[in-house]
Amino acid sequence: AQKVTQAQTEISVVEKEDVTLDCVYETRDTTYYLFWYKQPPSGELVFLIRRNSFDEQNEISGRYSWNFQKSTSSFNFTITASQVVDSAVYFCAGGTSYGKLTFGQGTILTVHP
Amino acid sequence: DSGVTQTPKHLITATGQRVTLRCSPRSGDLSVYWYQQSLDQGLQFLIHYYNGEERAKGNILERFSAQQFPDLHSELNLSSLELGDSALYFCASSVPYAGMNTEAFFGQGTRLTVV
Repeated sequence: AQKVTQAQTEISVVEKEDVTLDCVYETRDTTYYLFWYKQPPSGELVFLIRRNSFDEQNEISGRYSWNFQKSTSSFNFTITASQVVDSAVYFCAGGTSYGKLTFGQGTILTVHP
Repeated sequence: DSGVTQTPKHLITATGQRVTLRCSPRSGDLSVYWYQQSLDQGLQFLIHYYNGEERAKGNILERFSAQQFPDLHSELNLSSLELGDSALYFCASSVPYAGMNTEAFFGQGTRLTVV
């Protein structure tokens, strides 16, 4: 069984601050996939990033970056120069396939102007 | 817009009733997944269909069933509804063609309220 733990229940920042969301994914599987999804107030789930367990290279995409460390099972997500529109619930998820996922409980991010 | 369409957006029904939630995946996507999001359980995987066949089951109650039709749309049937079934039900799709795996794209969800 897999377990996803998001350390922060809620984070509040002021616009332009950087913010990091923490996630720990525990599994006995050797190959798995990790994701971050965003759920804005409108309710839909929006895919943000994906990482394969066999690739530990950290990446940056625009204002998003992510740091995967297999040794500690951590998959952290950073938003640089946060904006009010980034306010949402962020979910970390993982699984051995792209669609059958175990989700964390979510982190509520509030960005104040 | 993810390209996944779910209908209806909102549904209010009484306990003991049966409802059907519908999902149209992104054009050509072969896989459909159903998830339930509730305050106490969070986001939970229910069931996965690939090209008409059931592939995996998660925490899906026996009162719930799903199917995927030849045109790839899917329906989630919920019967003998209880107050605790009130939740946001998501459909997601992936796999635009056999052998091509992609992340799952979610629909906007159907909010079910059982009164």
